[in-house]
Amino acid sequence: DAKTTQPPSMDCAEGRAANLPCNHSTISGNEYVYWYRQIHSQGPQYIIHGLKNNETNEMASLIITEDRKSSTLILPHATLRDTAVYYCIVRVAGNQGGKLIFGQGTELSVKP
Amino acid sequence: KAGVTQTPRYLIKTRGQQVTLSCSPISGHRSVSWYQQTPGQGLQFLFEYFSETQRNKGNFPGRFSGRQFSNSRSEMNVSTLELGDSALYLCASSLELGRNTEAFFGQGTRLTVV
Repeated sequence: DAKTTQPPSMDCAEGRAANLPCNHSTISGNEYVYWYRQIHSQGPQYIIHGLKNNETNEMASLIITEDRKSSTLILPHATLRDTAVYYCIVRVAGNQGGKLIFGQGTELSVKP
Repeated sequence: KAGVTQTPRYLIKTRGQQVTLSCSPISGHRSVSWYQQTPGQGLQFLFEYFSETQRNKGNFPGRFSGRQFSNSRSEMNVSTLELGDSALYLCASSLELGRNTEAFFGQGTRLTVV
């Protein structure tokens, strides 16, 4: 079962920041938070991941609360091409591996 | 650098047949994972391979199997196809195993069972 909960859908105006929340209250100390997005019928695209510090890359910023029970993905200037389903994932380690357990995600609609 | 390549992109099979899907990971990546995506169940983990060994397995029946070759390329096989096996099958490659490694996905193989 997915260890994260996300709102099913969100809207954002083009050019504004999109803030996507995620709850992962049962996360373990050595589990990472990953964000992926999927544009219709394409393979999921990696966005960013982190353990406990805030992270930023060319696509987005990831803010993780101090208790690590929740996080927020920030797309600083959303464009129409950012319309997609966004998945917040806690990466579960098992037998030296690291499978991704996807939940239902948040469907982000960026509107003009 | 080329991304993850999955072949074929589309496939139509008849119930009872078997199918083999192929995945070529990003050059230098040694871990390959497979996922099934359906409208009802979403994205579900099938299995993960590293160094030609299955390291993780999801909750799928034994009709679903896979393997990895010495060049890290992977195949998955589904035998005795059922209508419910119609799905988008996605392959992801990672540099190594572990929790701190990005997984990059291919575009998937769309399997339709009729």
